Amino acid sequence: EIVLTQSPGTLSLSPGERATLSCRASQSVSKSYLAWYQQKPGQAPRLLIYDASSRATGIPDRFSGSGSGTDFTLTISRLEPEDLAVYYCQQYGDSPLTFGGGTKVEIK
Amino acid sequence: QLQLQESGPGLVKPSETLSLICTVSGGSLGFHYWAWIRQTPGRGMEWIGHIDHIGDAYYNPSLKSRVTISVDTSKNQFSLKLSSVTAADTAVYYCARDPGDFWSGYSFWYFDLWGRGTLVTVSS
Repeated sequence: EIVLTQSPGTLSLSPGERATLSCRASQSVSKSYLAWYQQKPGQAPRLLIYDASSRATGIPDRFSGSGSGTDFTLTISRLEPEDLAVYYCQQYGDSPLTFGGGTKVEIK
Repeated sequence: QLQLQESGPGLVKPSETLSLICTVSGGSLGFHYWAWIRQTPGRGMEWIGHIDHIGDAYYNPSLKSRVTISVDTSKNQFSLKLSSVTAADTAVYYCARDPGDFWSGYSFWYFDLWGRGTLVTVSS
């Protein structure tokens, strides 16, 4: 099974700053089949990015994804207060589907 | 607008079977794929399994011996049964949509729509 390790565990930034979240896979993710989700407190996850770099419907363009192989990145170009959440990566290149442990983004 | 809603007992006794239903409203089960995912503070998010509207199901090998996912198209619902539960099965259980196109014959294996989740506690 592919293990996804996310870093940092917590990111504390001010509004307007750039956030860079990392997701590292224990083996290469086939065809860059990697998604990112945002989970706000008390809510279900929301799909942000699929296929490593494609934005889901309705997702602002300040969210972008990149990477391939074992290293993937979610970038929030200009943080807004509503971006307070935990962000998860998920690989779907191999079964079983697996998720990372999450990065918590705090707004200063 | 398509919505998903989980329902079922919030408390299950150890060794018994956990049963949940996901009701799909605002659209049909027939075009996409559907999944169950659970979340715990300790183990994070875990994919349980997938199903299509004709009942072909795929399970996480770690849970396969205890899991059954089924579909009821007449009610626009799909369900989860997890047998022989222990405290380790205490989690928030989500149902979700895989936006793959059933009629084209492939699943995307990620999730673009989620239910609000339901907490199931396993305790005597």
